[in-house]
Amino acid sequence: DAKTTQPNSMESNEEEPVHLPCNHSTISGTDYIHWYRQLPSQGPEYVIHGLTSNVNNRMASLAIAEDRKSSTLILHRATLRDAAVYYCILRNNAGNMLTFGGGTRLMVKP
Amino acid sequence: DAGVTQSPTHLIKTRGQQVTLRCSPKSGHDTVSWYQQALGQGPQFIFQYYEEEERQRGNFPDRFSGHQFPNYSSELNVNALLLGDSALYLCASSFPQGTLANYGYTFGSGTRLTVV
Repeated sequence: DAKTTQPNSMESNEEEPVHLPCNHSTISGTDYIHWYRQLPSQGPEYVIHGLTSNVNNRMASLAIAEDRKSSTLILHRATLRDAAVYYCILRNNAGNMLTFGGGTRLMVKP
Repeated sequence: DAGVTQSPTHLIKTRGQQVTLRCSPKSGHDTVSWYQQALGQGPQFIFQYYEEEERQRGNFPDRFSGHQFPNYSSELNVNALLLGDSALYLCASSFPQGTLANYGYTFGSGTRLTVV
């Protein structure tokens, strides 16, 4: 499986935008970029995914670089409830499983 | 609409014992996957069940086994428990096309297993 690289931790102030980066330099043409987050004492929660174009949903936006070797998850206004570990995962149709790395622990300060 | 339901939420077992964990998938979902998450680490894939068959398996020993029932619910069994089996066990479900890369999984809150 192609791997992803994320910073171990990031800090943000409440109500400010947060940009969570992910590098995936060995991504293949059929890999989708998925983001999940895990709040304390919860299971992972699907956030967003994309293939080539930028994507928006009610939770976040996903910006994908033109060469697809990196992507950024954007939380437009961080709240204290957004404090979680964010995982960037590559998926293709050849495998059914999610391969989680260490993720980025986001801390939100009031 | 109930999401993925797992039981029990917490469990304490003694080394060498056997344990069974249960999962009810989200309504409309028919595929169930199990993950193990050790403290401070990301979840690790154990196996996936579809149509009552194990479809894919991760790098886990045969002590870990599972079952899927006709109503799509699933069980994870672990035999001969080791201290290292202490972890959060997560169940994830998806609907029929959900294992394609263009869809996401829904996770339960997990069962916290402590082996003493």
